[in-house]
Amino acid sequence: AQSVSQHNHHVILSEAASLELGCNYSYGGTVNLFWYVQYPGQHLQLLLKYFSGDPLVKGIKGFEAEFIKSKFSFNLRKPSVQWSDTAEYFCAVKGSSASKIIFGSGTRLSIRP
Amino acid sequence: DSGVTQTPKHLITATGQRVTLRCSPRSGDLSVYWYQQSLDQGLQFLIQYYNGEERAKGNILERFSAQQFPDLHSELNLSSLELGDSALYFCASSVGAGEDGYTFGSGTRLTVV
Repeated sequence: AQSVSQHNHHVILSEAASLELGCNYSYGGTVNLFWYVQYPGQHLQLLLKYFSGDPLVKGIKGFEAEFIKSKFSFNLRKPSVQWSDTAEYFCAVKGSSASKIIFGSGTRLSIRP
Repeated sequence: DSGVTQTPKHLITATGQRVTLRCSPRSGDLSVYWYQQSLDQGLQFLIQYYNGEERAKGNILERFSAQQFPDLHSELNLSSLELGDSALYFCASSVGAGEDGYTFGSGTRLTVV
C-alpha cells in the first residue's frame, strides 16, 4: 500500500526566507509524485509533479522539489517566499499499480509580511 | 477556472436531511474522484469512478453514495446527515488513472446545523 507523510503541520516564515517542506512516501515500486497548493478559500492546484528523469523538478511560482529515491522523499523548496505564498501545501503520491493518488495531511504555511 | 465544476458552492442543511452534490469533470476526463476535507481529518478520499464504473472506495460512510452518469458528471449523495458531516467536499477529475495528477473543482462547503 502507498502512503505519504508530511511532518510539518504548520510552518511560519518571514518574507524572503527560504522554504523547505518535508514529504516522505512509502511504496515498493515506481511512483509519480506531486505537490499541490491550496490558497485560502480556494481549490487545490498542481504546483509540480515528478514522473521520471531529472530528480529536481521545477514548478510554478518559483517552487521546486527534489526526489531522493534512497530517502523516499520529495521535499518542496523555494529560495525566497512571499506573503502571497501563504497557503496549505499537500504532497501526494501515486504508485504505478495504484488506482488513485494519496495525499498527505498538508502543511500550513504562514508568511509574516 | 479549473474546468471542473461543482454545484452548489455552499449548502446549509439540518441534521437528518439528505443532500446531493454535483460535479462535472473537465472536458475529456473520464475519472472522477470525491474527497472530503475537514479541519481534523485533512483530505480524505471517498470514492472514484471511471467512465461510469466505480473503481475505488475509500473512507466513505454507508450513508453516502455516489454515481457517475453516461455524460460523465457525478453526484455524491449524503443522507441522514450529522453535524460531523460538515466539511468541504471536493471533486477532482483526470483523463485516466491520474498519472498526470488531478484537476480539482472549487468544492462544496456543507454545513449541517
